[in-house]
Amino acid sequence: ETGVTQSPTHLIKTRGQQVTLRCSSQSGHNTVSWYQQALGQGPQFIFQYYREEENGRGNFPPRFSGLQFPNYSSELNVNALELDDSALYLCASQPKGLAGEKMDEQFFGPGTRLTVL
Amino acid sequence: AQSVTQLGSHVSVSEGALVLLRCNYSSSVPPYLFWYVQYPNQGLQLLLKYTSAATLVKGINGFEAEFKKSETSFHLTKPSAHMSDAAEYFCAVSTRYSSASKIIFGSGTRLSIRP
Repeated sequence: ETGVTQSPTHLIKTRGQQVTLRCSSQSGHNTVSWYQQALGQGPQFIFQYYREEENGRGNFPPRFSGLQFPNYSSELNVNALELDDSALYLCASQPKGLAGEKMDEQFFGPGTRLTVL
Repeated sequence: AQSVTQLGSHVSVSEGALVLLRCNYSSSVPPYLFWYVQYPNQGLQLLLKYTSAATLVKGINGFEAEFKKSETSFHLTKPSAHMSDAAEYFCAVSTRYSSASKIIFGSGTRLSIRP
C-alpha cells in the first residue's frame, strides 16, 4: 500500500510569486488536510478537503487555496508569496469508514519545504 | 475549543533511561489524542492514539501513553531510551464532532539521547 506522497520535496520562490504543491493521498482515503509547519513550531491547520469540497479552514488568508480531485489527490495553491510563507507544508489523508465517513486518524506525507526569498 | 500544551521544549535523557514527555490537553468534548514523531527533514509518523477505549495506549517503538481525564493529561513514556529515539515529538488533539476533523498540535518537544 502506497502512503501519502507529496511533490516537489523542495521549492524556492521569490516574494509575490505563486506556488502549487501536490499531494497524493493514501489508497482508500477520501479526506485530505494541509498543514503549515514553520521552523521550530508544530504544524498549523490550513484547510481540509472532503469529497472535493473545502470542509473546514484554519486561520489562513484567502491567498491560500486548494483543490481535491476525484481520485482524492489534492493541490495547495499560495498566491502573492510572502517571506513568512517559508515553511514545511504537510499533507495528511484520512481513511474512510465502512459507511464512507471520514475517520479521525491522519497519515502524513513527507512534506514540501518551501523557501521564499 | 481544543488545545494542547507540551511541557518542556527540550528533554535530554541518557541511553537506557526512562523517557517522559508531558502533554496536557483542553477539550470541551471527548477528545481523540495522538502522539506523533518527526525525524529531521521528514514528515510526521503516528506513534500512538487514544480513541476512548483503553486508557493505557501502546504504540510503536516501545512507547506508551496514559490518558488521565482527571488530570487532562496524555504523557508519553518509554522505559528505556535508545539513540534512535532522538527526534521531535508532538502531542495532538483531534475534534471528534466537528465537520472538519482537524488536528491541533502542541509546539513539540525535542528529545535528545546522551550516550
